[in-house]
Amino acid sequence: RKEVEQDPGPFNVPEGATVAFNCTYSNSASQSFFWYRQDCRKEPKLLMSVYSSGNEDGRFTAQLNRASQYISLLIRDSKLSDSATYLCAVRSGGYQKVTFGTGTKLQVIP
Amino acid sequence: DAGVIQSPRHEVTEMGQEVTLRCKPISGHDYLFWYRQTMMRGLELLIYFNNNVPIDDSGMPEDRFSAKMPNASFSTLKIQPSEPRDSAVYFCASSLGGLANYEQYFGPGTRLTVT
Repeated sequence: RKEVEQDPGPFNVPEGATVAFNCTYSNSASQSFFWYRQDCRKEPKLLMSVYSSGNEDGRFTAQLNRASQYISLLIRDSKLSDSATYLCAVRSGGYQKVTFGTGTKLQVIP
Repeated sequence: DAGVIQSPRHEVTEMGQEVTLRCKPISGHDYLFWYRQTMMRGLELLIYFNNNVPIDDSGMPEDRFSAKMPNASFSTLKIQPSEPRDSAVYFCASSLGGLANYEQYFGPGTRLTVT
């Protein structure tokens, strides 16, 4: 089993729709969780960290479910500009090393 | 503030040649990471440094790859000799250690093509 797994998609959604992605992780001792956004032929950019209590940033909401070992990202009122690949990242142990998922591709359609 | 800087942005070389990729982390960041991204394998960590010292190089694929960080503002990733299967995008990232962080910031990447 991979350390971090994501559905590669693509998720094709109309503008204005709500879309959610999940990311599962295998190490129950994982401590830090992140969502990154990567546009085509660009570098990953940090979208948000995921806290135990969940967190929200505008139209984006991230949740952590430790019991089932997954994190989620919810995007409300999708915009064309949200089209990108969304990578989850998980840190385990007392070190800075994080493991990235292979990403979920989102395409928002007019 | 300047972000992570990488050079060159694109590199095309022939099999067997030496390739050197360069990275300047964000000023004040004490962790530096080298990643490789391909369609097949996604984003893979090759090596990371803390205060210029290599901490984990278990992701370095083989002896052809080496990385150095001679000072806090510069790192290199060298491939010698290069092979076509090394073709990928190589990212450098940096982060600030400490209790509240672990967020990594990526450079624009070097797109390497080995023919």
